[in-house]
Amino acid sequence: AQSVSQHNHHVILSEAASLELGCNYSYGGTVNLFWYVQYPGQHLQLLLKYFSGDPLVKGIKGFEAEFIKSKFSFNLRKPSVQWSDTAEYFCAVNAPAAGNKLTFGGGTRVLVKP
Amino acid sequence: KAGVTQTPRYLIKTRGQQVTLSCSPISGHRSVSWYQQTPGQGLQFLFEYFSETQRNKGNFPGRFSGRQFSNSRSEMNVSTLELGDSALYLCASSYSEGLTDTQYFGPGTRLTVL
Repeated sequence: AQSVSQHNHHVILSEAASLELGCNYSYGGTVNLFWYVQYPGQHLQLLLKYFSGDPLVKGIKGFEAEFIKSKFSFNLRKPSVQWSDTAEYFCAVNAPAAGNKLTFGGGTRVLVKP
Repeated sequence: KAGVTQTPRYLIKTRGQQVTLSCSPISGHRSVSWYQQTPGQGLQFLFEYFSETQRNKGNFPGRFSGRQFSNSRSEMNVSTLELGDSALYLCASSYSEGLTDTQYFGPGTRLTVL
């Protein structure tokens, strides 16, 4: 069975700081990778996804993530955060061979101080 | 396109009762998945329906069940409610285009069991 780890549970940073959130998964086969964001009071929204090809993927709102297969990692980055990036971020993995089921990490709460 | 809609948005029930939650997927989407979100366990996969058939199932007791209708709308039922069933129940829909599927989430139904 696959599992996903997000090592940082809480991150606090100031506006204009850079953000990097770690995500590691365990599964030996082909995976699809996702980052979702949940803003306060809102529903889960897709930030970006990786299926294949270029391991550096760009998403909405200036976010990007890099898939490193050898490290089973899919870290999320943003060069300069804004107060509006305050949210909870979830990494998720889908193993297509196992069906359309997302396995989520525990989430990282990010607070950006103005 | 309208997003995934879920009704009702909030529910309060007492132990032992049963509850039915409804989900309308994005138009054209054929797969509907259900997830439970709690502070302690995070986001956990319940089940997935495609073409009115349960295609995938998570590790939840049989009290949790679901179904999908011919128009892809889905319902989830929880019988004999327990206090621990208090959670945000999320529905996600996808087109189900094989190995590169992306799930889009609704706002959720917040269930409180007293």
